[in-house]
Amino acid sequence: RKEVEQDPGPFNVPEGATVAFNCTYSNSASQSFFWYRQDCRKEPKLLMSVYSSGNEDGRFTAQLNRASQYISLLIRDSKLSDSATYLCVVEGGGFKTIFGAGTRLFVKA
Amino acid sequence: GAVVSQHPSRVICKSGTSVKIECRSLDFQATTMFWYRQFPKKSLMLMATSNEGSKATYEQGVEKDKFLINHASLTLSTLTVTSAHPEDSSFYICSAGKQGYQTQYFGPGTRLLVL
Repeated sequence: RKEVEQDPGPFNVPEGATVAFNCTYSNSASQSFFWYRQDCRKEPKLLMSVYSSGNEDGRFTAQLNRASQYISLLIRDSKLSDSATYLCVVEGGGFKTIFGAGTRLFVKA
Repeated sequence: GAVVSQHPSRVICKSGTSVKIECRSLDFQATTMFWYRQFPKKSLMLMATSNEGSKATYEQGVEKDKFLINHASLTLSTLTVTSAHPEDSSFYICSAGKQGYQTQYFGPGTRLLVL
């Protein structure tokens, strides 16, 4: 089993749609969780951290479920500019970082 | 802010040559920097963790004599791909972390093409 697993997609959605991605992780001792966004041929950029209480930033909502060992990202009112690959990132102690393979999202007009 | 730069952004070299890639944290001190490589349509693979003033910690399967890492100061780490081969062609990305924070800030990456 991979340490961090994501559905690679692609997810093809129309503008204005709501789309959700899930990511599962295998190490129950993992401490920090993030979603990164990566545009084609660019470096990843931090989208948001993920907390047990859930957190929201505008149209983006992230949730962590420690019991089931998964994190989720919800995007509401999708924009064309949301088209990208979304990387789930899990960190253990001491900056040990594991990246998921990414979920590709295409938002179409 | 937290800005990380990489140089060069793109390099083409002949097989057998060595290539040095620089990673700099421009507005903060980074005691730890990380080097990743990414193949097309694949996720980032951590190659090594670089700590200022000490030897880098390499991930399993990464040849330390092939990928030389130096972290001589709190703002600069270098990755040297020695005796490059076509299979070393990839997108190399560095990241740096601020002391006490878990968030990593990524450089823009370096595209290496070995002919």
